[in-house]
Amino acid sequence: DTAVSQTPKYLVTQMGNDKSIKCEQNLGHDTMYWYKQDSKKFLKIMFSYNNKELIINETVPNRFSPKSPDKAHLNLHINSLELGDSAVYFCASSQELLGYTFGSGTRLTVV
Amino acid sequence: QKEVEQNSGPLSVPEGAIASLNCTYSDRGSQSFFWYRQYSGKSPELIMFIYSNGDKEDGRFTAQLNKASQYVSLLIRDSQPSDSATYLCAVGTGGFKTIFGAGTRLFVKA
Repeated sequence: DTAVSQTPKYLVTQMGNDKSIKCEQNLGHDTMYWYKQDSKKFLKIMFSYNNKELIINETVPNRFSPKSPDKAHLNLHINSLELGDSAVYFCASSQELLGYTFGSGTRLTVV
Repeated sequence: QKEVEQNSGPLSVPEGAIASLNCTYSDRGSQSFFWYRQYSGKSPELIMFIYSNGDKEDGRFTAQLNKASQYVSLLIRDSQPSDSATYLCAVGTGGFKTIFGAGTRLFVKA
């Protein structure tokens, strides 16, 4: 039973397209996150929601828009994809300060 | 800007040796400290967390925290080839924000 599940696992798309990544957690955690891991493996936070409320919104192009319909789901929509958006996007969840549980990641390739 | 620094490695140790991974952080107000392991092509998984100065042991892993020196380390005893991975240090800087270091690649030679 997967704790944090992301779909799709791989996403190959052309520049200019719009795409979405979905994330669901069944751990009962209150907080969910989107992280971007670039080619140098550096993990950088993008957004965080706590009980459906946006609490972290880092300097990310406004082409990226998160949505949390309930505390178990956090989706990421990306408009007008660019080559530089190619990366691995990780969803994660946490409860208080007990560390993150990550999803398996979505490898986005923009061509 | 709040930062977490790690030596990128690779750190190479023989099987059975102790691997020592180090991390420094810039924000003195940081309250929580984590070590994650990431195998190539996989997601990070939490190994340990530590909040107080001193050592915390879990099996072959020991996390060490020194807030005065803004330093956190991870020791892996009796290193195994299966420990070969990238180890990410992460620091909770308050609220819900956690900053990750760039990771140290560890190779354990059989």
